[in-house]
Amino acid sequence: KQEVTQIPAALSVPEGENLVLNCSFTDSAIYNLQWFRQDPGKGLTSLLLIQSSQREQTSGRLNASLDKSSGRSTLYIAASQPGDSATYLCASFDGNQFYFGTGTSLTVIP
Amino acid sequence: DAGVIQSPRHEVTEMGQEVTLRCKPISGHNSLFWYRQTMMRGLELLIYFNNNVPIDDSGMPEDRFSAKMPNASFSTLKIQPSEPRDSAVYFCASSSRTSGSRTGELFFGEGSRLTVL
Repeated sequence: KQEVTQIPAALSVPEGENLVLNCSFTDSAIYNLQWFRQDPGKGLTSLLLIQSSQREQTSGRLNASLDKSSGRSTLYIAASQPGDSATYLCASFDGNQFYFGTGTSLTVIP
Repeated sequence: DAGVIQSPRHEVTEMGQEVTLRCKPISGHNSLFWYRQTMMRGLELLIYFNNNVPIDDSGMPEDRFSAKMPNASFSTLKIQPSEPRDSAVYFCASSSRTSGSRTGELFFGEGSRLTVL
């Protein structure tokens, strides 16, 4: 069964800093990998979707990369802002099910 | 599109009562997932449907939980009888297995927060 791990569980950074969130998975036979953001009391919002044939996707200040061979994905956030504070989750899709990491709780300090 | 729509957003009930949560997936999506999220256990998959057919219900905690998808635009998750340990946020999510570059992208509803007293 696919296992998805996110380290660290929590991260606190000053505003303006660039940061990287990590996601690792045990089975490289994935269809795609997706990054989500969850604000307290809210649902999960899709940030970026990387298909297995792609290496990265970008949206604004966010850049996600995928390395299937090493079982890793990273989410890069440039010039972090207090509004980026949230929990970030990654999920791999094997064509049938989604496998979620436990998330990284990010706090950006003004 | 309005996104995945869940109701009710909040439900407070007493132990032993029946609870029904509802979900309308995104139009055109053919996969639907029910998840439960708690602080202790994180996000857990309860059941998922492909083309209205239940594929994997191994995550349903016990027989008190049941889910149906009578058509492509509606699904329910029922708990009968409810217990305090069922208190959690229940999310419905949908995706398409046939939408080109967006295939397999998962979209969540806002969730139904259930409190069982």
